[in-house]
Amino acid sequence: RKEVEQDPGPFNVPEGATVAFNCTYSNSASQSFFWYRQDCRKEPKLLMSVYSSGNEDGRFTAQLNRASQYISLLIRDSKLSDSATYLCVVNNPGRRALTFGSGTRLQVQP
Amino acid sequence: EPEVTQTPSHQVTQMGQEVILRCVPISNHLYFYWYRQILGQKVEFLVSFYNNEISEKSEIFDDQFSVERPDGSNFTLKIRSTKLEDSAMYFCASRVSQAYEQYFGPGTRLTVT
Repeated sequence: RKEVEQDPGPFNVPEGATVAFNCTYSNSASQSFFWYRQDCRKEPKLLMSVYSSGNEDGRFTAQLNRASQYISLLIRDSKLSDSATYLCVVNNPGRRALTFGSGTRLQVQP
Repeated sequence: EPEVTQTPSHQVTQMGQEVILRCVPISNHLYFYWYRQILGQKVEFLVSFYNNEISEKSEIFDDQFSVERPDGSNFTLKIRSTKLEDSAMYFCASRVSQAYEQYFGPGTRLTVT
């Protein structure tokens, strides 16, 4: 089983739509969780950390379900500029390295 | 806003040559990392560096790779004898000591011919 698993997509949605991505992780002891955004041939950029209580930043909401070992990202009112690959990232205990999923590609269409 | 910077943005080299990729982490950060991303694949961890020594490395980081922090600002990745399969984007990242968020530089695209 992959350490961090994501649906590769692509998710093609119209502007203004709400879209949700899920991610599962294999290590039940994983401690920290993040969503990064990556544009084509660019660096990963931190979108948001994911907290146990869930957190929201504007149009973006992240949720963590430790019992089921999955993380979600909800994007409301999609903009053309949201088109990117969304990377689910996990930090495991005792490790300094981040473990990346392969990413979910989002294409927002006019 | 402080940023991680990397040079060069693109490096083309011949198989067997040595390359040095350079990074300037964010100035108050204490933990430094190299990751790589082969085209079309996921980001993979190579090595982490703290307090002037390697704190963790992956299986990819074999004897051909080395890292150095030659002065108070630069952090370098050296590949001694490049192979075709070393062609990838190489990202440097850094973080402050108490937070887990890592911030990535823009990357160096390495092409080995």
